[in-house]
Amino acid sequence: GENVEQHPSTLSVQEGDSAVIKCTYSDSASNYFPWYKQELGKRPQLIIDIRSNVGEKKDQRIAVTLNKTAKHFSLHITETQPEDSAVYFCAASMRGTDKLIFGTGTRLQVFP
Amino acid sequence: NAGVTQTPKFQVLKTGQSMTLQCAQDMNHNSMYWYRQDPGMGLRLIYYSASEGTTDKGEVPNGYNVSRLNKREFSLRLESAAPSQTSVYFCASSELFTSGSGNTIYFGEGSWLTVV
Repeated sequence: GENVEQHPSTLSVQEGDSAVIKCTYSDSASNYFPWYKQELGKRPQLIIDIRSNVGEKKDQRIAVTLNKTAKHFSLHITETQPEDSAVYFCAASMRGTDKLIFGTGTRLQVFP
Repeated sequence: NAGVTQTPKFQVLKTGQSMTLQCAQDMNHNSMYWYRQDPGMGLRLIYYSASEGTTDKGEVPNGYNVSRLNKREFSLRLESAAPSQTSVYFCASSELFTSGSGNTIYFGEGSWLTVV
């Protein structure tokens, strides 16, 4: 079946450094790729998304890139801050539906 | 506008007991979901409903049943709870993007369920 692999599972960076989280997906028909941030004890919330007709999207310090040929997409956070510390999930849509398959998450810790 | 609300927030069950998790959304979305979240496993889809009166199995449906009561409400029932169902459960909703692809999923605050 469809699956999404996410790496790394944990990531520690110094404040001000960049962080990159990578995901691969299996379903070539997937066409929607969101990223969610989940703080401890809270619900996941969308931070950025990209559709298959776009290669890159940026929103202030965060950006997402998509390589449809390789079935890879990545989240880039620049100038990290302690409040960026959270678990980040990537996801990919299942063919022809609005169902999402999620990656297993990356715990990002930003040290002051 | 409360978004997605789910109850209860916390529940402890004994093995074999039954319970229903309630969920309602006020965003007029057609699609609703139930996910479970376990450490290291991410968010896994239990059941999905594309519209009122329709439901579909997700990745991990065994041991669960759902009811799409109307457009607003989507409940999840555990008929005979097992320790393996100890998890955090999230209800969510979304609207299908105009091109037929996925769209933003909005999550409820979660329900922490422990089965002893």
